[in-house]
This record gives sequence, structure tokens and C-alpha cells, in this order.
Amino acid sequence: QVQLQESGPGLVKPSETLSLICTVSGDSISPYYWSWVRQPPGKGLEWIGHISYNGITNYNPSVKSRVTISLGTSKNQFSLKLTSVTAADTAVYYCARLRPSSGLIIDYWGQGTLVTVSS
Amino acid sequence: DVQMTQSPSTLSASVGDRVTITCRASQSISSWLGWYQQKPGKAPKLLIYRASNLESGVPSRFSGSGSGTEFTLTISSLQPDDSATYYCQQYNSGWTFGQGTKVEIK
Repeated sequence: QVQLQESGPGLVKPSETLSLICTVSGDSISPYYWSWVRQPPGKGLEWIGHISYNGITNYNPSVKSRVTISLGTSKNQFSLKLTSVTAADTAVYYCARLRPSSGLIIDYWGQGTLVTVSS
Repeated sequence: DVQMTQSPSTLSASVGDRVTITCRASQSISSWLGWYQQKPGKAPKLLIYRASNLESGVPSRFSGSGSGTEFTLTISSLQPDDSATYYCQQYNSGWTFGQGTKVEIK
């Protein structure tokens, strides 16, 4: 059974960088794609971007200038960095797995971690 | 950008009712559509992929249909455990979610 777990600071100051790590267990990074999705409190879901097992990235245009998703130095981790954050970036951040055999549908999600942007 | 519009935003139905949720895309997405169920405080759970394929382990009372720009999620006999918010998601051009449909049990 695949499990994903987000980790990182729950509070980030405005204008600083949000950094999260997702640790994957129960399966290999390859041949899947790995994604970040966020959900502001009480609102809907927003895809942030994803990275393939061989490092190819694809980002939502709404955050493209501020976001970097990368594979971790540990083989079963990937990360999210979002620069110049504002209160609008306050959300539950989910890491997720994309299944290539079904056209890159999200099939597994982490439990999510709340990140609050506030001074 | 492909916009996804769900209707209704909320619905209230009784146990045993047949429930249908509609999702419309702003342009054709072929069959690249998924449906998710999300309960409060939990991550979404995949129900349907490629518009009509039931994910392993999901009860058969859930079904999906459609192609192009119009899609539906049907719950054939609503159960108490189905109280949740349901999201459609297109993955033809980028990845975009609908705004969600909250299903309540009367």
C-alpha cells in the first residue's frame, strides 16, 4: 500500500519561502509522477504542479514564477518550494501520486499539511 | 485554461435515492476526467478515472459517464457513508478541478 506523508513548517512569514517535503513509502518513485495540490480553508482544490520520476516538471501558470518541485536526495522523497508567499498561499498542501497508465490521474494522496502564512 | 463547472453546488437526498452530479468543461477534454470524494479533514479519494472507469475498491453504486465537455457522476443508491464533497478533475490540458458538490443526507 502506497503511503505519502507531507512534512515542513506550519507557519511561514509573508514574503518568505514555503518549503515542504513528501516522503513516499510502499512503492518506488519510478515510473510514477508526483504532484502537489493545495486547498485553502473552506475552498476547493488547486493543482500546483508535478514532477516525473526522471525530473521533468509541469507547473500551474498561476504559480509558475514562484514554484519549484524537485526530486529529493533521498530516493523516496520529493519537495515543493514556493517563494514570496502571501496570505493567499495559506492552505492545506497535499502531495500526491499520478498514475501514468491512466493518463496521469491522481490515485494516492498524502493526509495533507496546513501551512499558514502570517507574521 | 480549461475551466470545470459542477452542478449543483449542494444537494440533499435520502438514503436509497439516485443522485447525479454534472461537470462541464469549457473545452473538449475527451475522456480525461476523474471524480473524487472528500470528507471533512481528509484527503480526496479517487472514485472514477477516464470518465467511466471505477477505481479498484470503490463500491459499484458509483458510476461515471460522458465525454467531450459534459460528464456525470451517479450514485445509484445513496448511502449514509456517501455524505461528502465530490470534485471532478480534468487532466487533458493541465490539471483543473471543479468547485465541488456537497452531498448531504436528509
